[in-house]
Parts: sequence; structure tokens; C-alpha cells
Amino acid sequence: AQTVTQSQPEMSVQEAETVTLSCTYDTSESDYYLFWYKQPPSRQMILVIRQEAYKQQNATENRFSVNFQKAAKSFSLKISDSQLGDAAMYFCASYGNKLVFGAGTILRVKS
Amino acid sequence: GAVVSQHPSWVICKSGTSVKIECRSLDFQATTMFWYRQFPKQSLMLMATSNEGSKATYEQGVEKDKFLINHASLTLSTLTVTSAHPEDSSFYICSANAGGHRGNEQFFGPGTRLTVL
Repeated sequence: AQTVTQSQPEMSVQEAETVTLSCTYDTSESDYYLFWYKQPPSRQMILVIRQEAYKQQNATENRFSVNFQKAAKSFSLKISDSQLGDAAMYFCASYGNKLVFGAGTILRVKS
Repeated sequence: GAVVSQHPSWVICKSGTSVKIECRSLDFQATTMFWYRQFPKQSLMLMATSNEGSKATYEQGVEKDKFLINHASLTLSTLTVTSAHPEDSSFYICSANAGGHRGNEQFFGPGTRLTVL
């Protein structure tokens, strides 16, 4: 079974500052993938970043980076230089044999 | 590339009627498509996995006779909500698996908002 836990229902960040969203997961799969998705008010799911579990190096996509701690089953997302357009619901997800989402974190960006 | 469309984007229907939602992969072939349901301010819940040419695999607790899924081609999957009731009102999202080196990555449609009166 797979579970994904996001313990922060809401987070706020000042524009241009850095924020970290937390995620922990559990899976019995030996080969799995981890994702962060963004869902803006339009509700279109947008892939932010992905991490292959077999890779030790943390994934980075421009202002977005992850801290992947495999032993601790932790997969946090860091957003640097936050922008107003980053405001959205963020979902952490794991894929072993299916995609399982966490409950989501609402990110508010203050100008 | 890897665009997924859904039609309609929103639909209102009367209780007891059936509603069909289409999910299309526009620029790639999708051997596997997925259907999710999302209530307001909640997460996406997988309803079923749809494989081209075979029966869908439903998640526990999802009524397969109520939510009919057909994956007739490599670019089209449909979800039919039969005898809809107000509690079926929700946001339905499909996704498609592109295969290849990105085989585990799913590309999401824009969603369909269903309101049952």
C-alpha cells in the first residue's frame, strides 16, 4: 500500500522569499517515483518536479527543488524567490503501481 | 506536447440522467488512462484505471455499474455517470500515461465539473 502525508494544510510566504512544503510517504514498492503537482484556481494539474527514487541527487527545476531523504521517506519541496503566480494548491504524490496523492497544501503568496 | 483534453468542461444535469465525459490524448497515444474525482478543497482520488481494449480496473469502493469507463482507442477514454444523483456532483479529472521513458508520468486533462440537480 502507498500513503502520502502532507501535514501543512496551508502555508504563506512573502513574495521573493523561500518556502518549504513538507511531504512524507510510505510504500512497499522498491521502484517508485515521487512528484509535486501544482493546482492553481483553474484546477489544471501541473507537474512541478519529479524524482526517481533510485537517484540520490535531488531534483531541481529552476526555482523549485526537492530534499529527498529516502531513508526517512521524506520529500519536501523548496520554492525559492516566490512569485505571486506560485499561489496554488500543491500536491505531493508517489507512484509505485498507481499515483497516490497527499491531501495538499494551499500556498498563499503575499505581496 | 503531451496534451490531454476533456469534454465537456462543465455539465449540469437532472437527477436520474446519465452523463458522458470524454478524455482525449491529443498528441500521443495513451495505452493507459486514469479517472480521478476531486471534491472542493480536497485531494484527487483515483476512481479507475483504463487500459485500451480491456475492462477498466476500479478502485475499492467505486461502483463500476455507476461509473462506466470505456477505452475504445489509444486516444480516447470515456466516463459515463449513470443515473446521476446530487452526491455525484464533483470535479472529474482524467490523466493519460505517455509511456516510453516517461512511462510513469501522467498528463492531466483540465477537468470536468459535474453538477447534478
